[in-house]
Amino acid sequence: DTAVSQTPKYLVTQMGNDKSIKCEQNLGHDTMYWYKQDSKKFLKIMFSYNNKELIINETVPNRFSPKSPDKAHLNLHINSLELGDSAVYFCASSHNGGGKAETQYFGPGTRLLVL
Amino acid sequence: DQQVKQNSPSLSVQEGRISILNCDYTNSMFDYFLWYKKYPAEGPTFLISISSIKDKNEDGRFTVFLNKSAKHLSLHIVPSQPGDSAVYFCAASAANSGTYKYIFGTGTRLKVLA
Repeated sequence: DTAVSQTPKYLVTQMGNDKSIKCEQNLGHDTMYWYKQDSKKFLKIMFSYNNKELIINETVPNRFSPKSPDKAHLNLHINSLELGDSAVYFCASSHNGGGKAETQYFGPGTRLLVL
Repeated sequence: DQQVKQNSPSLSVQEGRISILNCDYTNSMFDYFLWYKKYPAEGPTFLISISSIKDKNEDGRFTVFLNKSAKHLSLHIVPSQPGDSAVYFCAASAANSGTYKYIFGTGTRLKVLA
């Protein structure tokens, strides 16, 4: 049973399109995250939701919009895709440590290529 | 401004020997550190962590050392095995920041030679 799953695993699309990546966790965690790993291999936090509430919103273009229908799901919608959006996007989740950092569990990643 | 740095992009070690992966950080507010291991086409998986109240944490073949005055941590793997070949990321957080935010290094690719 996959703890943190993402769909799709690969996504190839044209510039200007709108696409969504889905993430689900079955660990019962309260907090979910989206990370972006770019071509230089930097793994950077984009967003975090705790119990469906946005708690981290890094400097990310507003073309990126996370949506959390419930605490087991955190989807990432990207409007007007640009070449620079090509990257690997990782979803992660963790238990709510009451303000303390907890171990984050990662999904397998979604490889997005914008042509 | 990269607050967590892994200055060695790659490391090769003979099977059975010790692997030492290094990580430096600049933010003195960081007080919780983790190491993640990543295989190709998979997400990072948690390996070991250390809180700043300790200077060493051991789990089987893996030991993490923390030198707070030098703002440096290292991961020791002994003995190294071919299955340890992967990319290793260190990550740091201000544990009581309330935002569950980790800053990751750029990773070190470890290759264990049989």
